[in-house]
Amino acid sequence: AQKITQTQPGMFVQEKEAVTLDCTYDTSDQSYGLFWYKQPSSGEMIFLIYQGSYDEQNATEGRYSLNFQKARKSANLVISASQLGDSAMYFCAMRDNTGGFKTIFGAGTRLFVKA
Amino acid sequence: EAQVTQNPRYLITVTGKKLTVTCSQNMNHEYMSWYRQDPGLGLRQIYYSMNVEVTDKGDVPEGYKVSRKEKRNFPLILESPSPNQTSLYFCASSLIASSTDTQYFGPGTRLTVL
Repeated sequence: AQKITQTQPGMFVQEKEAVTLDCTYDTSDQSYGLFWYKQPSSGEMIFLIYQGSYDEQNATEGRYSLNFQKARKSANLVISASQLGDSAMYFCAMRDNTGGFKTIFGAGTRLFVKA
Repeated sequence: EAQVTQNPRYLITVTGKKLTVTCSQNMNHEYMSWYRQDPGLGLRQIYYSMNVEVTDKGDVPEGYKVSRKEKRNFPLILESPSPNQTSLYFCASSLIASSTDTQYFGPGTRLTVL
């Protein structure tokens, strides 16, 4: 069954430091996509980064990188040089070939960046 | 600018008064879907559409209707809203129905049903 697990309800990080948000997933499909979204307090859902199941290189987008370990079924998000504006809720998500190609989401991790 | 738009952004209504939340995308995406987000329950898919005139139920379709008459629009209809439909609603779209295609979300609609 499809499942996304985020075990960190909340995280604190000092401004300018790096932080890793954990995510594990479960699917029986060979082809799937892993995504991270950011939800600030204003409520919108902002796409950050994508990793395909067949991609051998870890994805990077600016200060965001995805640490993809396929055998362990993990897809951790690394944010480098944290900024105050990074304070938000972060969701790990997955899309596979079941359930009408819906995107399923983890419970989220709330990140607090301290000045 | 490529985007998904939703209207209204905020709505307070009363039980039983029919309402429609509009969703439009300007990216020529084939796949569109609706989600609701509730505390403790996360995001759940309500309905999805793989293309014009093709719609199907998601995980929580009860109390909702959708239509897809044009590629760019995918309205969500609540025929007789009830308080348990108070939620944050998101419309999302992707280029195609594929496991490796990113869904882009609209800004959300906060609905309160009294």
